Amino acid sequence: EPEVTQTPSHQVTQMGQEVILRCVPISNHLYFYWYRQILGQKVEFLVSFYNNEISEKSEIFDDQFSVERPDGSNFTLKIRSTKLEDSAMYFCASSSGTGVNNSPLHFGNGTRLTVT
Amino acid sequence: GQNIDQPTEMTATEGAIVQINCTYQTSGFNGLFWYQQHAGEAPTFLSYNVLDGLEEKGRFSSFLSRSKGYSYLLLKELQMKDSASYLCAVRVIYNQGGKLIFGQGTELSVKP
Repeated sequence: EPEVTQTPSHQVTQMGQEVILRCVPISNHLYFYWYRQILGQKVEFLVSFYNNEISEKSEIFDDQFSVERPDGSNFTLKIRSTKLEDSAMYFCASSSGTGVNNSPLHFGNGTRLTVT
Repeated sequence: GQNIDQPTEMTATEGAIVQINCTYQTSGFNGLFWYQQHAGEAPTFLSYNVLDGLEEKGRFSSFLSRSKGYSYLLLKELQMKDSASYLCAVRVIYNQGGKLIFGQGTELSVKP
């Protein structure tokens, strides 16, 4: 069964450094998402992406965050200047449809980001 | 605003049936989804409802009442491996996005 893949599985970085989290969504999916989950807390929406642009972003997704789909397969999340509170598990997800073509989001295994 | 409530934790016995409830208040509703999440792992899709009624998928069933803002997930013939967090999530349509908003999750412990 096709799956969403994320790299790296773990990333340790120093405060103030930039990180790029990478994702390869399922190949025929059109809708892409980033979520984060701080340890012991709920899964939180960061951003959705469709047709090569951001369709919605949350309050968490401030100017330090950006997303890109640089080619036909990768979907990246960049955090420009990491803070201690950015430490979390970051999940990428993709879906083939929404609205009348509703289909579930499929999640990757996540990247555990630790900011020291 | 958006609000999703589900019990924090539940305990059940192997072989039994357990029902996990979820209530929600949201705008732009486009479906109620249930996911399973083991500690340190990704959410895994279980079931979803867009229309009122019951959806059955093997040992898992999910029910939705849109007028009441209520859903439940029913797990039958519980196994030890079903010990996990169960996440209720509402899909919201906004500007082509279709994001999921998650509840806090219900931590289910299955005991022998």
